Amino acid sequence: DGGITQSPKYLFRKEGQNVTLSCEQNLNHDAMYWYRQDPGQGLRLIYYSQIVNDFQKGDIAEGYSVSREKKESFPLTVTSAQKNPTAFYLCASSPQGPNYGYTFGSGTRLTVV
Amino acid sequence: AQTVTQSQPEMSVQEAETVTLSCTYDTSESDYYLFWYKQPPSRQMILVIRQEAYKQQNATENRFSVNFQKAAKSFSLKISDSQLGDAAMYFCAYRGAFPPYGNKLVFGAGTILRVKS
Repeated sequence: DGGITQSPKYLFRKEGQNVTLSCEQNLNHDAMYWYRQDPGQGLRLIYYSQIVNDFQKGDIAEGYSVSREKKESFPLTVTSAQKNPTAFYLCASSPQGPNYGYTFGSGTRLTVV
Repeated sequence: AQTVTQSQPEMSVQEAETVTLSCTYDTSESDYYLFWYKQPPSRQMILVIRQEAYKQQNATENRFSVNFQKAAKSFSLKISDSQLGDAAMYFCAYRGAFPPYGNKLVFGAGTILRVKS
């Protein structure tokens, strides 16, 4: 079955470390997205990519980086510059075109220890 | 910038009753798309229903329907015959028809729905 796979489900980061969250899709979707979810704040867009080798900053890109070397993969790196990284991270994908909603992964819970 | 507002942080409904979740949005665009997503305790986001702004007819999916008022920029979700499995966080989302707002979804803060047995 087609879908989006996020890994790991839980991730712990020490202060000053970079960590990378994986997101893989086999839906043949062109566009992929990373959102951060904090309690009471809904989903906030970190980065998105509409095509391979191209991506754009979202509303809260500072302290994060991404790459899109393959259509299927859109990994997110949380760098040490992100001062408050503890959150739930959701990856999503969609076909090109505004009339489509997203298909979401099951998320990664990142905790700073 | 486009914004989405969900004014009800929490709602409760008795099983088998009907509940309406509110959503308003701010946009200068005339063509756009609106969505409701459900996030149960598993935290898996599920698309509930979608509405195209150019369609006057309100979208319906089984027990879920919307009341789309374009002039008022309102997009409420009605859940009929509520079931225990409807308990979740519900997010309203907006997507423009053209770039840059057509490139991404903008989400509201969410409404927690509790279903009482």
